Amino acid sequence: GEDVEQSLFLSVREGDSSVINCTYTDSSSTYLYWYKQEPGAGLQLLTYIFSNMDMKQDQRLTVLLNKKDKHLSLRIADTQTGDSAIYFCAESHDYKLSFGAGTTVTVRA
Amino acid sequence: NAGVTQTPKFQVLKTGQSMTLQCAQDMNHNSMYWYRQDPGMGLRLIYYSASEGTTDKGEVPNGYNVSRLNKREFSLRLESAAPSQTSVYFCATIREFNQPQHFGDGTRLSIL
Repeated sequence: GEDVEQSLFLSVREGDSSVINCTYTDSSSTYLYWYKQEPGAGLQLLTYIFSNMDMKQDQRLTVLLNKKDKHLSLRIADTQTGDSAIYFCAESHDYKLSFGAGTTVTVRA
Repeated sequence: NAGVTQTPKFQVLKTGQSMTLQCAQDMNHNSMYWYRQDPGMGLRLIYYSASEGTTDKGEVPNGYNVSRLNKREFSLRLESAAPSQTSVYFCATIREFNQPQHFGDGTRLSIL
């Protein structure tokens, strides 16, 4: 079955880099995703990586994938107050996504 | 440019009442999903519809029913609401297999 785990909380100082980690169990996942949820809102797709890639960079976001260890990370460079949110890791399998519990990122001045 | 629209945004029910949550999408996507979100548990899949005319159970289907009315609309029904169904419900869609999911803004449901 699918099981996605991520740490629940991360506190980071404004201007520093944030790193959110995720582990998953389904080795047949084709895509892995990062979603962002701001208070009172739905989930917004931030970025995703195909399973045959090691890294993907998109402006301030860097996704690293270690397929051997089934480990995914999201790095946010120069973290801003607007980055405060819950970040969800998700893996795809057929038509379904399995989500982690979400990491609440708090950016302090 | 609405994307995925959920109605209502908020609802309070009494135990035993029934309720239908509506989801409509204007992106011509094939697959639609219903999730519930509870604190510390992420999103759990209730039901999904891979294509028009089909529905399948997800991880937590008990107490719910769904209808894929047409390609645009996918409704979630609580026949006899229970306090354990207090949650935030999200509808999501994808165009096809392994594409990213697009989410609505959610329905916040409280059952007293």
